Amino acid sequence: DAGVIQSPRHEVTEMGQEVTLRCKPISGHDYLFWYRQTMMRGLELLIYFNNNVPIDDSGMPEDRFSAKMPNASFSTLKIQPSEPRDSAVYFCASSWTGGGYNEQFFGPGTRLTVL
Amino acid sequence: AQSVTQLGSHVSVSEGALVLLRCNYSSSVPPYLFWYVQYPNQGLQLLLKYTSAATLVKGINGFEAEFKKSETSFHLTKPSAHMSDAAEYFCAVSGLTGANSKLTFGKGITLSVRP
Repeated sequence: DAGVIQSPRHEVTEMGQEVTLRCKPISGHDYLFWYRQTMMRGLELLIYFNNNVPIDDSGMPEDRFSAKMPNASFSTLKIQPSEPRDSAVYFCASSWTGGGYNEQFFGPGTRLTVL
Repeated sequence: AQSVTQLGSHVSVSEGALVLLRCNYSSSVPPYLFWYVQYPNQGLQLLLKYTSAATLVKGINGFEAEFKKSETSFHLTKPSAHMSDAAEYFCAVSGLTGANSKLTFGKGITLSVRP
């Protein structure tokens, strides 16, 4: 199993540009989560999906952020326009609750720098 | 509603000494509890999990944790610290389905190991 795959691993962009982060969850998992990690705020849940449907997006900081999951094997997190304060590491995680509990498997993260 | 409290942000121990990282939780439903470890510039990796079976849970790399319902605690221990244990450790709680299916993380504790 390849685990959760995220791309790109590093992204450097200029303020105002659109940024798209990508995630491929583990095959068979029914939940997908997007997190953001910064020194100041720690690990924050942005949004999560169940069976491709967004369940809770209350953690999305503002309208500049959007996330989609068009199918069970792919999700995107988009920031438009990007700002320097969006600089962080963004993690995607997936889980399967059929086993009776919600063990999440994390991807390696995308380190975003907005200049 | 669920929450996790990890007291302190940094713990320093000598190599070979006992490691004790504290975690207290609050949950309105029977909890599932997790410890994750994050090595520098990497994603989160599951150390161990409590899923209502045995209250003493053994994980990878010699770590273990004990679920104590009366104390609402799930402290992480390791008898003898190794230099390679230096990392950030996160405690997390979740329920199973619906609004409780997301993981709620603590703020994390950085473990340093002195030679």
